[in-house]
Amino acid sequence: QSVLTQPPSVSAAPGQKVTISCSGSSSNIENNYVSWYQQLPGTAPKLLIYDNSQRPSGIPDRFSGSKSGTSATLGITGLQTGDEADYFCGTWDNSLSAGVFGGGTKLTVL
Amino acid sequence: QVQLQQWGAGLLKPSETLSLTCAVYGGSFSFYSWSWIRRPPGKGLEWIGEFNRGGSTKYNPSLKSRVTISVHTSKNQFSLKLSSVTAADTAVYYCARGTYYDSIRMDVWGQGTTVTVSS
Repeated sequence: QSVLTQPPSVSAAPGQKVTISCSGSSSNIENNYVSWYQQLPGTAPKLLIYDNSQRPSGIPDRFSGSKSGTSATLGITGLQTGDEADYFCGTWDNSLSAGVFGGGTKLTVL
Repeated sequence: QVQLQQWGAGLLKPSETLSLTCAVYGGSFSFYSWSWIRRPPGKGLEWIGEFNRGGSTKYNPSLKSRVTISVHTSKNQFSLKLSSVTAADTAVYYCARGTYYDSIRMDVWGQGTTVTVSS
């Protein structure tokens, strides 16, 4: 059981928008930065969002992140078939003194 | 451009020790944190541990008794040892670079090493 809770799967049609939630607690999300990762099949995870809402160079602005209290959200607009992947949120947990990830959300672009 | 190249044994028997090494090419070894993460088949990412910029190591509490992360600064390498492995340790293992202020902000990753534990 993951410390951070994500929906197992989400789906939407090409061109549409989807959001992925990540729920935690005061020991992790509320008091630390959240990062989001995209993992395509057979590849290493790729940093999509850091510091809750910042995009690394090269990540299109179709990807966005936000945080409120003990939850964070990843948004993807203008969905493309190439966005089909597993998405993970991650942050530090002060109580565990360890990094923690969500269980992952599989995005299907119908 | 910074690259991480990792290697190690891919097939282990139960009770053996997993040993992986990650080399940092094209960038500074200082001012960053260095982590190991794994993904078991059919499951999500699991943080194993890190060597942070402050010079200390942090480990996943569920693995702490079996894990050791070491840094070899002169070689720009860091390594992972996980003792007494079982089938539950079968996973793809990744090394990654984190920033000095947020080690979970991992912007460079190794290619991954598939480790299978089977008798």
